[in-house]
Amino acid sequence: DQQVKQNSPSLSVQEGRISILNCDYTNSMFDYFLWYKKYPAEGPTFLISISSIKDKNEDGRFTVFLNKSAKHLSLHIVPSQPGDSAVYFCAASPNTGTASKLTFGTGTRLQVTL
Amino acid sequence: DSGVTQTPKHLITATGQRVTLRCSPRSGDLSVYWYQQSLDQGLQFLIQYYNGEERAKGNILERFSAQQFPDLHSELNLSSLELGDSALYFCASSSIDTKAFFGQGTRLTVV
Repeated sequence: DQQVKQNSPSLSVQEGRISILNCDYTNSMFDYFLWYKKYPAEGPTFLISISSIKDKNEDGRFTVFLNKSAKHLSLHIVPSQPGDSAVYFCAASPNTGTASKLTFGTGTRLQVTL
Repeated sequence: DSGVTQTPKHLITATGQRVTLRCSPRSGDLSVYWYQQSLDQGLQFLIQYYNGEERAKGNILERFSAQQFPDLHSELNLSSLELGDSALYFCASSSIDTKAFFGQGTRLTVV
């Protein structure tokens, strides 16, 4: 049973436009959410996180939105740049995000085109 | 560069064999985590060590084992390998800050 779902395996966006990556979860015990970015031949790198007490967290071009009632979060990248092309993993945790408790989605491959 | 080093980067071995994957955590990090990523799957947590002691266990098969040494490096041992064990194996480390830093992974192919 996939508790964290990223239903879009891939997404293509033009440079300069907004990229929106979506993630849904089923476990109501999750209250901390993270996005990781992964380039080929590299490990995932932490991008941004959000606690369930917030509905939005912003860091530069990256904003994560959390809708607890819908059990849905999204990552917005504005403006998208070619260097953003990577696989993005959503992860959820029942507490503060300690890596032993993270449940990852299957990832969305973002391609930013010129 | 995350500061987490994994060796080897690639490994090809036959079914029934045993392999050891190695991880050196970031300097100062006491926690080491092992994850498995199979084809089209998210990362699955296997096991965590903290300062040499097993701290948490996830979906780790009995054929798999791990340990963390006094110098804090960790090894993941996979035995009686099956075709389905082919995957990317990631090591991550963290300190008091709970965000984990991942290594580049070891791609294991069982033939």
